[in-house]
Amino acid sequence: ETGVTQTPRHLVMGMTNKKSLKCEQHLGHNAMYWYKQSAKKPLELMFVYSLEERVENNSVPSRFSPECPNSSHLFLHLHTLQPEDSALYLCASSQGQRMNTEAFFGQGTRLTVV
Amino acid sequence: GESVGLHLPTLSVQEGDNSIINCAYSNSASDYFIWYKQESGKGPQFIIDIRSNMDKRQGQRVTVLLNKTVKHLSLQIAATQPGDSAVYFCAFGSDRGSTLGRLYFGRGTQLTVWP
Repeated sequence: ETGVTQTPRHLVMGMTNKKSLKCEQHLGHNAMYWYKQSAKKPLELMFVYSLEERVENNSVPSRFSPECPNSSHLFLHLHTLQPEDSALYLCASSQGQRMNTEAFFGQGTRLTVV
Repeated sequence: GESVGLHLPTLSVQEGDNSIINCAYSNSASDYFIWYKQESGKGPQFIIDIRSNMDKRQGQRVTVLLNKTVKHLSLQIAATQPGDSAVYFCAFGSDRGSTLGRLYFGRGTQLTVWP
């Protein structure tokens, strides 16, 4: 266990569905991140939250909507996704915005869009 | 744009041998470099990092070497064990400017250890 918990572990959704991914960290960190991991591609940074404020939105389509209600929780709301959005979505946290030795990843949510 | 590459997508070694995983990067302004290990079904796990003012750092059974002249990073695993089988990612980041807090990842090298 890394102290970062993601739910659900697996999700299959249709293109017209609305779903949410949840991330919770128990490490007292103040920065949280969403990454997308597709097959044969580098990890892609999607969103960065620092002190519950979004500090980066890395040109992600609006069908992905993050929410950070407090420093321990991070959500990724999904709606009208496309099949190419199928991937492993990883949440990470760190103390401070800089990711280095303090960064911990969750186990990810394997998303399949049908 | 930023890029981080790996020389080999796969590496197979026998148990007990040493493994060397390589990574090339393009941004000479990077301040730190990290190696992550990702086992099947799990998220990336931090292994070791090195700052740009160092050229070598050792951990438990792992050594990271940084050659800034040729922008090359390597991870050496001594006495490789079956539990080392995983995908290994290199990543780099900066303490400054607009890329503060952003990590750039390579595509990963699949390490397979044979008994």
